[in-house]
Amino acid sequence: GENVEQHPSTLSVQEGDSAVIKCTYSDSASNYFPWYKQELGKRPQLIIDIRSNVGEKKDQRIAVTLNKTAKHFSLHITETQPEDSAVYFCAPLEEDKIIFGKGTRLHILP
Amino acid sequence: EAQVTQNPRYLITVTGKKLTVTCSQNMNHEYMSWYRQDPGLGLRQIYYSMNVEVTDKGDVPEGYKVSRKEKRNFPLILESPSPNQTSLYFCASGDSGTPYEQYFGPGTRLTVT
Repeated sequence: GENVEQHPSTLSVQEGDSAVIKCTYSDSASNYFPWYKQELGKRPQLIIDIRSNVGEKKDQRIAVTLNKTAKHFSLHITETQPEDSAVYFCAPLEEDKIIFGKGTRLHILP
Repeated sequence: EAQVTQNPRYLITVTGKKLTVTCSQNMNHEYMSWYRQDPGLGLRQIYYSMNVEVTDKGDVPEGYKVSRKEKRNFPLILESPSPNQTSLYFCASGDSGTPYEQYFGPGTRLTVT
């Protein structure tokens, strides 16, 4: 089955700095690579995704980059703000199954 | 309002007493799925359904059943709950065009004593 790992498990960054979270996967057939954000006590919500025919996608302060050869994709958040504090999950697709990483807790320090 | 609903939101029950958690979506999505969330383990997929009458096992299906008789509903059944099924459960759905973009319900916190 799919082996999905996220790094780091916890990340603290100063407000205004950038944050990068990496997700590695094992299934070379994976073709959909999303990132979800879960605030405390709330449901996960999709924040950005990328498909295997694209190397990078950007939406305002967030971006996702994909390296299919190395089997990893990363979430980039620039100019971090307090509301970026949350747990972030990658969830690459294996056939029709969605495999979530264990999550990265991001703390934005004032 | 487009949404995924789950009921109940909170449930405390005893070992062995059958229970059902309902899930309904009003977005005409074909893909529906159940996850459990446990500290340190992230979200793990229990079952998913690509369409009516089509269900498949996810990563942790043991001890659970599902059915998909109608497009909008995807109930999760625990025939004989055990304490290791104490968890936070999320239902989710996805559009046929982008089925893997998951819209999550509010969650059901289940405690089995």
